[in-house]
Amino acid sequence: KAGVTQTPRYLIKTRGQQVTLSCSPISGHRSVSWYQQTPGQGLQFLFEYFSETQRNKGNFPGRFSGRQFSNSRSEMNVSTLELGDSALYLCASSLNGNSGNTIYFGEGSWLTVV
Amino acid sequence: ELKVEQNPLFLSMQEGKNYTIYCNYSTTSDRLYWYRQDPGKSLESLFVLLSNGAVKQEGRLMASLDTKARLSTLHITAAVHDLSATYFCAVDIETSGSRLTFGEGTQLTVNP
Repeated sequence: KAGVTQTPRYLIKTRGQQVTLSCSPISGHRSVSWYQQTPGQGLQFLFEYFSETQRNKGNFPGRFSGRQFSNSRSEMNVSTLELGDSALYLCASSLNGNSGNTIYFGEGSWLTVV
Repeated sequence: ELKVEQNPLFLSMQEGKNYTIYCNYSTTSDRLYWYRQDPGKSLESLFVLLSNGAVKQEGRLMASLDTKARLSTLHITAAVHDLSATYFCAVDIETSGSRLTFGEGTQLTVNP
């Protein structure tokens, strides 16, 4: 059974540009969440999607956005990139995101902003 | 605001020894997750604890949850080098969907 797949794995962007990251959840999983990991702030929740609707949102500026498609695949977008956006972006999926579901993480997308 | 604190943050131990990592959280929850992360890698799910008194074991690792004390522990028995990694606990308090709040992580090094 394939795990959570994220693309691209590594990317370098310039300040002011925008980036789109993609995530394919485990087959049958309908909840997709995104997290940012940095050495300074640790792991922080960005947002969660279920059935194409954003169900929960973390404390990030509006430059960070996401969406989920009918096949449960998800994308997140960061516009007007800042140096501080350099991080590992992790996508996670679970059956329905409710209590007791194991939450599985993908390998992540390493974003460097220069 | 939910706060999750782990201690210790750094742990260096010898093979064969036992030790415990502690995870304290500030808001009532009965959903506690433990993950392992190797350098440059993603998070690997270890345990999901869903009720007061829950105890789960896998190999040399055992996790428990005390919801009254808002405390979870990850106990390592007879450590081996392969257990060297960073361990995170995470708490979920959402009533609909999920939102994990992570601790800072405990960087474990097991020395031969």
